[in-house]
Amino acid sequence: AIQMTQSPSSLSASVGDRVTITCRASQDIGNELGWYQQKPGKAPRLLMYATSSLQGGVPSRFSGSGSGTDFTLTISSLQPEDFATYYCLQDYNYPWTFGLGTKVEIK
Amino acid sequence: QVQLVESGGGVVQPGRSLRLSCAASGFTFGSYTMHWVRQAPGKGLEWAALITYDGTKQYYADSVKGRFTVSRDNFENTLSLQMNSLRVDDTALYYCARDGISGGDDAFDIWGQGTMVIVSS
Repeated sequence: AIQMTQSPSSLSASVGDRVTITCRASQDIGNELGWYQQKPGKAPRLLMYATSSLQGGVPSRFSGSGSGTDFTLTISSLQPEDFATYYCLQDYNYPWTFGLGTKVEIK
Repeated sequence: QVQLVESGGGVVQPGRSLRLSCAASGFTFGSYTMHWVRQAPGKGLEWAALITYDGTKQYYADSVKGRFTVSRDNFENTLSLQMNSLRVDDTALYYCARDGISGGDDAFDIWGQGTMVIVSS
């Protein structure tokens, strides 16, 4: 199975900060990567698919980049509602695999 | 509106079985591949299984292969997960999710609220 190494596991940031989360795949996955946001007690929410395609309704401050094995989710200016846990997911082949998550906390 | 509602969770002893259901509404259920994703308490997300839109293909995580079976009824708009030989480490919140991206891409665009499964003696 493809392993997804997500970093950092947690970070503290302030409103307005630029935040970057990375995911590294154990093998080439092309652009078959998505990003999800999860808040406590809630189901995950799709942010990005196919590396850089923004899901409808997701603010443009979220962006994704990368290809092959290295991928990045960037929040250009962190907002109060962005404090959450973020997961990457590879859908290149089965079994699909998530990263372990990055918890974004308030500094 | 577009909605997925899971049910069937509960407390079960190790080795026993449980069947989860996911009722879909607000969209053409039979047009979408569907997934089960689980989350152990305080842990991350784990993809568990999928079934293609027509029910002809299923894929499973290694952790559930041979014990879990995913199925669907496109007339009743229902997704199911039959879980046999349950283990303590199957304890998790189980989500159903729709693979709703068109054009050859995949992603879970709609999620249910989850149903909790606790495996304990």
